[in-house]
Amino acid sequence: AQSVAQPEDQVNVAEGNPLTVKCTYSVSGNPYLFWYVQYPNRGLQFLLKYITGDNLVKGSYGFEAEFNKSQTSFHLKKPSALVSDSALYFCAVRDIGNTGKLIFGQGTTLQVKP
Amino acid sequence: DGGITQSPKYLFRKEGQNVTLSCEQNLNHDAMYWYRQDPGQGLRLIYYSQIVNDFQKGDIAEGYSVSREKKESFPLTVTSAQKNPTAFYLCASSQSVGELFFGEGSRLTVL
Repeated sequence: AQSVAQPEDQVNVAEGNPLTVKCTYSVSGNPYLFWYVQYPNRGLQFLLKYITGDNLVKGSYGFEAEFNKSQTSFHLKKPSALVSDSALYFCAVRDIGNTGKLIFGQGTTLQVKP
Repeated sequence: DGGITQSPKYLFRKEGQNVTLSCEQNLNHDAMYWYRQDPGQGLRLIYYSQIVNDFQKGDIAEGYSVSREKKESFPLTVTSAQKNPTAFYLCASSQSVGELFFGEGSRLTVL
């Protein structure tokens, strides 16, 4: 079965420092991977995706993610964190078959302190 | 603007009542999805539909029902058979192998 894991419930970082939110995946075949962000009582906003091509994917709001096939990881990164980046982040993988549905990780809360 | 509209934003239900959550999209997407979000559990798939007049159960379909009579609409009914319905419900749509677009969610509370 396909799955994603976000090993950290919470990540704390100081404003201006680089941030990393970790994600590992388990799929059969080539993975389609996604990152979303959620602010309190709001829907999920799409940040970026990896389908094929360059391992470094650039997305919205200065975020990027690196696909690493050998380590089955897709970590989300940003060079300089902002207090406004504080939110809940979800990694997801597309299910096999042609259903289009996504399988989500448990989520990681990012706290950026001034 | 194109997007997904969920209503109501907040809903309260007495035990034994059925309630229906609305989800409308004007993105012309074929596929639509309902997810349930509970604290610390991520998102779990309730139902999904890839085409009008067809839908499939997700991982936690018990106690829920859906319909897909129009391409733009995918309402979710939370029935009295759902024993723990208090949660945040998210509707999404997608086209082909692209990303899912989400609505703003509906928070259901059982009194």
